Amino acid sequence: QVQLVQSGAEVKKPGSSVRVSCKASGGTFRSYAINWVRQAPGQGLEWVGAIIPVVGTANYAQKFQGRVTITADESTSTVYMELSSLRSEDTAVYYCAKGIAGTYYYGSGSYVLDVWGKGTTVTVSS
Amino acid sequence: EIVMTQPPATLSVSPGERATLSCRASQSVSSSLAWYQQRPGQAPRLLIYGASTRATGVPARFSGSGSGTEFTLTISNLQSEDSAVYYCQQYKKWPPGTFGQGTKVEIK
Repeated sequence: QVQLVQSGAEVKKPGSSVRVSCKASGGTFRSYAINWVRQAPGQGLEWVGAIIPVVGTANYAQKFQGRVTITADESTSTVYMELSSLRSEDTAVYYCAKGIAGTYYYGSGSYVLDVWGKGTTVTVSS
Repeated sequence: EIVMTQPPATLSVSPGERATLSCRASQSVSSSLAWYQQRPGQAPRLLIYGASTRATGVPARFSGSGSGTEFTLTISNLQSEDSAVYYCQQYKKWPPGTFGQGTKVEIK
C-alpha cells in the first residue's frame, strides 16, 4: 500500500514562492496520478492540480494556472508542488493524494483520491 | 465548472441513529461521485466512489446512493467516531474534480 509523506510546515512572505514535496513509499508510484488539494483555515477542500509521473505533464485548476507548477522525480518517487506570487489567501494546509486507478493517461480514476498525505501547512504572512 | 451543493451545513444525530447526508450537482455527473470523511485535525479519507462502492476498509454502515444530480450518504448506527465533516466530490468533468462545501455531523 502506497504511503505519502509530505515535507514540513512553511512560513513565507507575500510575493515569494513555496515548494512542497510528497514522497511515495511502499508501492508503485509512476502510473498513479498524484493530486494536490488545499484547505484554507476553517474552509472546504479545493483541488489545485495533478500529475501522473510516467506521463510527466501536469494539469491544473484554472484558478492557479500560471502560478503553480507540479513536477515529479521518478528516481526518488517524489512529487513537488511549487506555488509562486504568494498572497495571504494562499495560507492553507496543502495535501497530496493519490488517484485510485493506475493509468498512463488522465481519466476519472485519477481524481478519486484513495491515499492522502498528512498535509503541509503553508502560512503566508508579512 | 460543476458546482456541488451539500445541505445542511451541520447535522446533529444521536448515537445509534441514522444520518442521511445530501449532495446535489449543478448538472448530471452520472455515477462519478465520491464521498470523503474528514475528522478534526486529520486528512480526508475516501469512503465511497462510483456513488455507491465502499472503499477498502470502510465499514458496511456507510452506504451511498443516487445518480445524475442527487446523491445520498447514509451512516447507519451512528458511532462517536463518525463525528466529522463529510465532503462529496464529482469527477465526471475534470479537471477539476470539484468538492462540495461539506456537511458537519455532530453527535448529540
